[in-house]
Amino acid sequence: SQQGEEDPQALSIQEGENATMNCSYKTSINNLQWYRQNSGRGLVHLILIRSNEREKHSGRLRVTLDTSKKSSSLLITASRAADTASYFCATGEPGSARQLTFGSGTQLTVLP
Amino acid sequence: DAGITQSPRYKITETGRQVTLMCHQTWSHSYMFWYRQDLGHGLRLIYYSAAADITDKGEVPDGYVVSRSKTENFPLTLESATRSQTSVYFCASSDSGTKNEQFFGPGTRLTVL
Repeated sequence: SQQGEEDPQALSIQEGENATMNCSYKTSINNLQWYRQNSGRGLVHLILIRSNEREKHSGRLRVTLDTSKKSSSLLITASRAADTASYFCATGEPGSARQLTFGSGTQLTVLP
Repeated sequence: DAGITQSPRYKITETGRQVTLMCHQTWSHSYMFWYRQDLGHGLRLIYYSAAADITDKGEVPDGYVVSRSKTENFPLTLESATRSQTSVYFCASSDSGTKNEQFFGPGTRLTVL
């Protein structure tokens, strides 16, 4: 069963706008990660936030984590056409030996 | 080539045939994983391995077999392929340090007729 559920399933924005994707999960976690998948390619790790962290930044990416609400958000600022991809959240759970449980993803389209 | 590779990239087979998907990584990562990706389901874990000769089932292991005799290789075998195993298969690896990220291969698109 899936742990993370992304919202929205699809998002279309103009270049230069910000994109926000949300992820909700069901059980306790050690960490939450975000991955990007370009069409026809493998997933690429973007950022990891641990359960004791609330916010993390990496370049144009900002991730927040609210463990009380079991939710996370990924913000991409000043989006570019090259950001067009599917974005997945993945949760690592206590005692799970590095297993990750992936959500079903958000398809982001950035229009030039 | 450095990194994680999968072969073949595309495979068409028939119901009942045995198929083996190969995965090779050059980082000496301890952990390796096999996922399948189907529309609407995201990625689902089939099997994983914490080290050579140590494997364990994931969420959807039925119909699949894995082995890991060497750290760098983690083949996935479909013993008797079924149409429901038509999917895109991804291999991933992760080291045993504090960074928990997984590195993914390019995927194998398998069609079972």
